[in-house]
Amino acid sequence: DAGVIQSPRHEVTEMGQEVTLRCKPISGHNSLFWYRQTMMRGLELLIYFNNNVPIDDSGMPEDRFSAKMPNASFSTLKIQPSEPRDSAVYFCASQRGDPTDTQYFGPGTRLTVL
Amino acid sequence: GQSLEQPSEVTAVEGAIVQINCTYQTSGFYGLSWYQQHDGGAPTFLSYNALDGLEETGRFSSFLSRSDSYGYLLLQELQMKDSASYFCAVRDTGGFKTIFGAGTRLFVKA
Repeated sequence: DAGVIQSPRHEVTEMGQEVTLRCKPISGHNSLFWYRQTMMRGLELLIYFNNNVPIDDSGMPEDRFSAKMPNASFSTLKIQPSEPRDSAVYFCASQRGDPTDTQYFGPGTRLTVL
Repeated sequence: GQSLEQPSEVTAVEGAIVQINCTYQTSGFYGLSWYQQHDGGAPTFLSYNALDGLEETGRFSSFLSRSDSYGYLLLQELQMKDSASYFCAVRDTGGFKTIFGAGTRLFVKA
């Protein structure tokens, strides 16, 4: 299995620009999670989907952040407009439908906003 | 609110045993997980406890006491490659939403 795939792996952009992060979950996994990791705030859950439906987006920092999952094999996290404080590593993770199953993380996207 | 407490840093010698504790206070609880993360890498799953007791997987064991809202990760026969950050994480009542602790940085010395 290819594992969770994220793109791009690194992104450097300027403040005010739109940023789109992409994720392909493991085939057959019904749940998808977006996390953000920083030194100050640690690993935070931003949003998660079950069967392509957003279930809990309480971790999304503000309206500048949005996430979509148009089908079972693709999700995006968009930041518009981006700000320097959005600089972080963004991880996507997927899990089968059973709550006891393991969450598998992608390699992450390191975002730097100048 | 929801919070997880774990030590920020632990140092141990190669070949030794180390225990990383985690206490949690959450509105709901489905299980306690442990993840390992090397510098520059992604978190990788180590173990999961839904019920009280000890779970063993090779050199790693994890323990849970739900009445005490407490768990620990035990690493035996430490190796240099075990130097990494270790996170405890609580799954909420539904079993999907996961809250992570701040992580414990483990340094293994020769």
